[in-house]
This record gives sequence, structure tokens and C-alpha cells, in this order.
Amino acid sequence: SQQGEEDPQALSIQEGENATMNCSYKTSINNLQWYRQNSGRGLVHLILIRSNEREKHSGRLRVTLDTSKKSSSLLITASRAADTASYFCATDTTSGTYKYIFGTGTRLKVLA
Amino acid sequence: DARVTQTPRHKVTEMGQEVTMRCQPILGHNTVFWYRQTMMQGLELLAYFRNRAPLDDSGMPKDRFSAEMPDATLATLKIQPSEPRDSAVYFCASGFPGGTEAFFGQGTRLTVV
Repeated sequence: SQQGEEDPQALSIQEGENATMNCSYKTSINNLQWYRQNSGRGLVHLILIRSNEREKHSGRLRVTLDTSKKSSSLLITASRAADTASYFCATDTTSGTYKYIFGTGTRLKVLA
Repeated sequence: DARVTQTPRHKVTEMGQEVTMRCQPILGHNTVFWYRQTMMQGLELLAYFRNRAPLDDSGMPKDRFSAEMPDATLATLKIQPSEPRDSAVYFCASGFPGGTEAFFGQGTRLTVV
């Protein structure tokens, strides 16, 4: 079963707009990561946030983590057509196993 | 530059045949993951290894799937016999444990007819 569930499943926006994706998970975590997958390709790591962090930035990416609600959000600002991809959250639980469980993904389409 | 290499990239096989997928993790990484991606199930963790030892293969159908790491530079995933429902993209990823990113290969797209 999935540990994480992304919301929305699909998102379509205009270039220049911001895109927000949410991830909810079920069990306590050590850290949460976001990955991007372009069509037909492997996943690429975007950003990692640890359980004791609340917010993290990387370029146009902003990630928040609310461990009390077991949720995270990924904000992409000033989106570009090249941001069109699927985005996944992955959690590393506190069980000590250090295995990454992925959510269901959000398909983002940025229209030029 | 360092990358995870998977072979073959595409495989079409008939039901009942054995399929072997190979993965070369990034040199120095001590953790290797096998994932399966389908439209219906998303990304499923099949198995993962640390220092070549299998730590968890609970996501893998044991009757037909097997995963091994003969050495630190090679991980294999075998399906025998293959079935149409095994059609999916299989990804290998490598990394270090404890809160670091996983590096993914390009995947093997398997079609079982």
C-alpha cells in the first residue's frame, strides 16, 4: 500500500503561475523527499526535508512539512513549460529501515 | 558523470519466459532499490539491499520474482515464469541510507505478451 497520497492527481496551469502539490502520509517519518519524473524517464530528486524542519527552499521550489498533520506541500513558483512532469513525494519512515516509499504522484502540465 | 545504469531499456517477451533485468548502481552507493511502476499501482517497492544483503523483499511476489546482488556493481531482478500482469516499468535506484536522495536509473520497460 502507498505511504503517501498526492493531491491533486492532476494539475494544469499557465506558464508563470505557481503550482502547489500536497502530500499526505500515514506513519511517522525521518524525512520526506520530492521527486520529479518526466515522461518515460527515471525519477530525479528535487528536495529533501527532515522531520525537524518546517520549510525548505531550493531555487523556485518551496517545501513545507507539517508533522502534526502528516502532510507536506511542494510549491513551484513562476512555472515554466519545462516543469511539466509528474511529481512524487517519498517518505523514509522512523522504523529504521531507511527505505523510501513513494506516493501516487501529481501530474503537472504547464501550458505555454 | 555517475549514474545508475539499467539494462535492457525495453524487453518484450512471451508469457512463461524468464526475464532478467540488470542494474549497475553508482559506485560507492551501498543501498539498492528495485521499484515497479504501473498506472494502476504507481511506484511499488519490490526489494532493497544494503551492502549487498537483502533487507526487505516483502513487496515482491516470491513465487516468481527473485532479486540478488552478486557483487557491489551488479543487481539483478528475475521473473520466472513471466506473466502479462508483470508488464510494467522496473526501476533500480541506489543511494546511502539515513536521509539522502535515491538516484534512479532510466528503467526497464517490460511487456509480457
